[in-house]
Amino acid sequence: DVKVTQSSRYLVKRTGEKVFLECVQDMDHENMFWYRQDPGLGLRLIYFSYDVKMKEKGDIPEGYSVSREKKERFSLILESASTNQTSMYLCASSPPLGSTEAFFGQGTRLTVV
Amino acid sequence: AQKITQTQPGMFVQEKEAVTLDCTYDTSDQSYGLFWYKQPSSGEMIFLIYQGSYDEQNATEGRYSLNFQKARKSANLVISASQLGDSAMYFCAISSGSARQLTFGSGTQLTVLP
Repeated sequence: DVKVTQSSRYLVKRTGEKVFLECVQDMDHENMFWYRQDPGLGLRLIYFSYDVKMKEKGDIPEGYSVSREKKERFSLILESASTNQTSMYLCASSPPLGSTEAFFGQGTRLTVV
Repeated sequence: AQKITQTQPGMFVQEKEAVTLDCTYDTSDQSYGLFWYKQPSSGEMIFLIYQGSYDEQNATEGRYSLNFQKARKSANLVISASQLGDSAMYFCAISSGSARQLTFGSGTQLTVLP
């Protein structure tokens, strides 16, 4: 059974904290993605990676960074958390072939207080 | 840049009836893919169906079919014989770019009535 696993289901952090969201996939996929989901806005792409140590900005990268040191792991970093980063964060992975769907993790509900 | 528009924030359908969820897209790419995902209240994202831009036949997967009209840039999802378990948020998405990254619409909340 293929899996994308996010390290936490729920997280509460204080304003100004450095926050790490971890994502691991066991499918040997080249591509990995971080999205945030907000009501009425759907899923918006923050960052993605198509290879180890490679990263590309998505549509809303401001306030975030990422790290991909190993193929199976893709980390999202909030350098200094702010209340407007309270959201649901979803990690996904996919193979390079475009006709194959992306597989999603269960999501991390982050609250910044 | 890619854009997906889902104009129905909420839809209701009677159990056992068919329902169509609308999706229009905008892209300058010649090669792209269109996806539909279902997200129940539990939060998981479930892949439903895929249509490639060069596919001439409409995609079908069980009770799901995709009404693909390339000239109109629409990719509507049709669910036949609705079930109570179909109640969920439905997202349309388009893939493109170096990693075939997905651009999502804002979603449609479908409620199936008994």
